Amino acid sequence: DAGVIQSPRHEVTEMGQEVTLRCKPISGHNSLFWYRQTMMRGLELLIYFNNNVPIDDSGMPEDRFSAKMPNASFSTLKIQPSEPRDSAVYFCASSIEGLSEKLFFGSGTQLSVL
Amino acid sequence: DQQVKQNSPSLSVQEGRISILNCDYTNSMFDYFLWYKKYPAEGPTFLISISSIKDKNEDGRFTVFLNKSAKHLSLHIVPSQPGDSAVYFCAASVGGNNRLAFGKGNQVVVIP
Repeated sequence: DAGVIQSPRHEVTEMGQEVTLRCKPISGHNSLFWYRQTMMRGLELLIYFNNNVPIDDSGMPEDRFSAKMPNASFSTLKIQPSEPRDSAVYFCASSIEGLSEKLFFGSGTQLSVL
Repeated sequence: DQQVKQNSPSLSVQEGRISILNCDYTNSMFDYFLWYKKYPAEGPTFLISISSIKDKNEDGRFTVFLNKSAKHLSLHIVPSQPGDSAVYFCAASVGGNNRLAFGKGNQVVVIP
């Protein structure tokens, strides 16, 4: 299996622009997570899907952030409008709910908002 | 509020010596603990875990110790190798679910 695939690897955008991050989880995994990594806060959970349904979005910083999972093999995280403080590495991870606590992470998207 | 805390953000150690990483948690409901390793430009990868019914778990050069009364766990790497140079994240969960709370990470540098 190719593992969790994220795109793009790097994104540079200007403040106010819309940013869309994409994730393809491992086939057969039914849980998907979006994390954000910053120096100050480490790895923060933003939102968690189980069987394509958002279960907990309490980590989403504000209304500018939204996430969707239209099917079992694709998810997006959108920031609109983006701000410089959104600059971070965004990770997608997947796992099998109820079988393992291990998460499998993608390589991340390095986002820079100028 | 950080429920999983990793202090001493960086550690340098000579090759062959022991690396010890510490992690404290505040949520007494946590019952499963994991360590992840992260290389630059890659995602974190699972390293080792421990259930709260144990106080030690060993896998090759890596051993995790859990002290429930102190809400503290540690990761020992012995002997340390240059390839161990990475950021190590401590994580915890409740009730065996896979919604993990992570610490900020510790940078380990192993000097050849």
